[in-house]
Amino acid sequence: DTAVSQTPKYLVTQMGNDKSIKCEQNLGHDTMYWYKQDSKKFLKIMFSYNNKELIINETVPNRFSPKSPDKAHLNLHINSLELGDSAVYFCASSQTVQGNGNTIYFGEGSWLTVV
Amino acid sequence: AQSVTQPDIHITVSEGASLELRCNYSYGATPYLFWYVQSPGQGLQLLLKYFSGDTLVQGIKGFEAEFKRSQSSFNLRKPSVHWSDAAEYFCAVGAVYGNKLVFGAGTILRVKS
Repeated sequence: DTAVSQTPKYLVTQMGNDKSIKCEQNLGHDTMYWYKQDSKKFLKIMFSYNNKELIINETVPNRFSPKSPDKAHLNLHINSLELGDSAVYFCASSQTVQGNGNTIYFGEGSWLTVV
Repeated sequence: AQSVTQPDIHITVSEGASLELRCNYSYGATPYLFWYVQSPGQGLQLLLKYFSGDTLVQGIKGFEAEFKRSQSSFNLRKPSVHWSDAAEYFCAVGAVYGNKLVFGAGTILRVKS
């Protein structure tokens, strides 16, 4: 079974559309993330949720809205898509255990292309 | 704030040769250090991690990395590279109790036969 799964894997859409990427983890982790990998392969965190509560919100346009219905799911909704939103979006999860580190496990990525 | 530098954007090695990928980090406290690999069109796979203890850590696929606090480095090594190792490698640093990984810009490994 895939530990961190995200759908869709590939998404091509037009500018101005609204789209969502879904993510689910079956690892029992309490923390989930969205990372963005741009065209230069640079990976940067966007959001992090711990037990459904937003704890990290980097400088991201408010067109991006994460939603965590439960601690096993973290979806990413993007409004009014722009060309610059084209990227690979990675969902990830970890278990925050004090003093034991928190290995972050990544999904396989969702390749978003805005045309 | 944390930061990671991978000085080499591309590295080409011959199959069977040894490999070392460099990673330098900046972090004010005890870092958690990771190496991930990304094959073309694929997601990120964890190769190895350092949290504490032995500074030489073993990972999957025959990789190892050594944490050197005095040099703020966490270089990745493999004694004999296989063609299937061609991929992009990312070093990352995380805080001890934090939830955020900061990644380096990646090093693309090419393997020539």
